[in-house]
Amino acid sequence: GESVGLHLPTLSVQEGDNSIINCAYSNSASDYFIWYKQESGKGPQFIIDIRSNMDKRQGQRVTVLLNKTVKHLSLQIAATQPGDSAVYFCAESLSNAGGTSYGKLTFGQGTILTVHP
Amino acid sequence: DAGVTQSPTHLIKTRGQQVTLRCSPISGHKSVSWYQQVLGQGPQFIFQYYEKEERGRGNFPDRFSARQFPNYSSELNVNALLLGDSALYLCASSLPQGAPSYEQYFGPGTRLTVT
Repeated sequence: GESVGLHLPTLSVQEGDNSIINCAYSNSASDYFIWYKQESGKGPQFIIDIRSNMDKRQGQRVTVLLNKTVKHLSLQIAATQPGDSAVYFCAESLSNAGGTSYGKLTFGQGTILTVHP
Repeated sequence: DAGVTQSPTHLIKTRGQQVTLRCSPISGHKSVSWYQQVLGQGPQFIFQYYEKEERGRGNFPDRFSARQFPNYSSELNVNALLLGDSALYLCASSLPQGAPSYEQYFGPGTRLTVT
């Protein structure tokens, strides 16, 4: 079935560096992609999303890039801080026929980001 | 504003027992989804409910069932528990269909341990 995978299971960076977390997805029909951050003992927290009609979207200190040609998604975190240490998941979804809602999210395995002060 | 709430926080059951997990969505959200997250893995979709109707089901056995109430809260029920059902069960709510945001907001989860 469909799956979303990550290239690197762990990533260690120094405080202040930029971080890049990568994700490959397999369902070319997916049209909505999300990055979540999950801290220990908590539920996933929304970071940023992007629809398939976009290549790039920026938020506060974060940027998501979507390359539909190679089915690749990445999350860039600028000036990484110790508070960014967590597990990061990418997820994909497929809208309904009218494009007005999304149902199930298919998550990848996750990347553990560790930020050293 | 209160986020998605789930109860109980932790639960220990023995094999063969049944369990009911509860979720209250964010006020105004009409869709609730359930996910199972095994340690070290990403969440796996179990169910989605919208306006009290099942709108999607993941690859889980019939031992798993759910329902949504008129106030949009939801229950996940698992019968005949197996050791492999030990996991963090996450509930997520989202805005009504047609809303400009498709973001799913997750609760803190219920940690189920089956012994």
